Amino acid sequence: GAVVSQHPSRVICKSGTSVKIECRSLDFQATTMFWYRQFPKKSLMLMATSNEGSKATYEQGVEKDKFLINHASLTLSTLTVTSAHPEDSSFYICSAPGDVEETQYFGPGTRLLVL
Amino acid sequence: AQSVTQLGSHVSVSEGALVLLRCNYSSSVPPYLFWYVQYPNQGLQLLLKYTSAATLVKGINDFEAEFKKSETSFHLTKPSAHMSDAAEYFCAVGYSSASKIIFGSGTRLSIRP
Repeated sequence: GAVVSQHPSRVICKSGTSVKIECRSLDFQATTMFWYRQFPKKSLMLMATSNEGSKATYEQGVEKDKFLINHASLTLSTLTVTSAHPEDSSFYICSAPGDVEETQYFGPGTRLLVL
Repeated sequence: AQSVTQLGSHVSVSEGALVLLRCNYSSSVPPYLFWYVQYPNQGLQLLLKYTSAATLVKGINDFEAEFKKSETSFHLTKPSAHMSDAAEYFCAVGYSSASKIIFGSGTRLSIRP
């Protein structure tokens, strides 16, 4: 089946720095990808929809200048957490709709810890 | 707008007992409904999905769910719980299988020996 990868799987950074998380569809093309955030022992919150060739669509309450999304190609979307703060520490998960099967594939997630 | 409500943040059952995890949805259009499982420190795994075909949906690991429009429910069941079923379960709703998905708050399933 289709696979979505994320890199890195885990990252620790200092407060004030920026962190880039990559989401790749490995064997299919994805014109749309979704970014979710999951707090410890909480549900997944949709942050934004990443659109290849156009601007991302952010959910209400998500700071687009804080969480920069770039859908550079049909297989890659990146989420950059700018000027990270400890409250940005979370589990970030991306997903992409499969091009053949009527389903959506989730990446394994990236755990971000901001010190 | 779409939303899901999962009743019970924590459910505990004995090994071999019936598992029932409750989910109610709200949608202005015919919904696509999903159940996902998340094991500790891992990503999401799709258990099953409802896409307007059969109302009784069978998934992996003997899980199944029934779509009941009159009750706006999509409860997840398994006849006999295994220790390996202990995980977090999320009910979710979307406009299609390819659209953004809105997740419920999750239910943590514990299995007693």
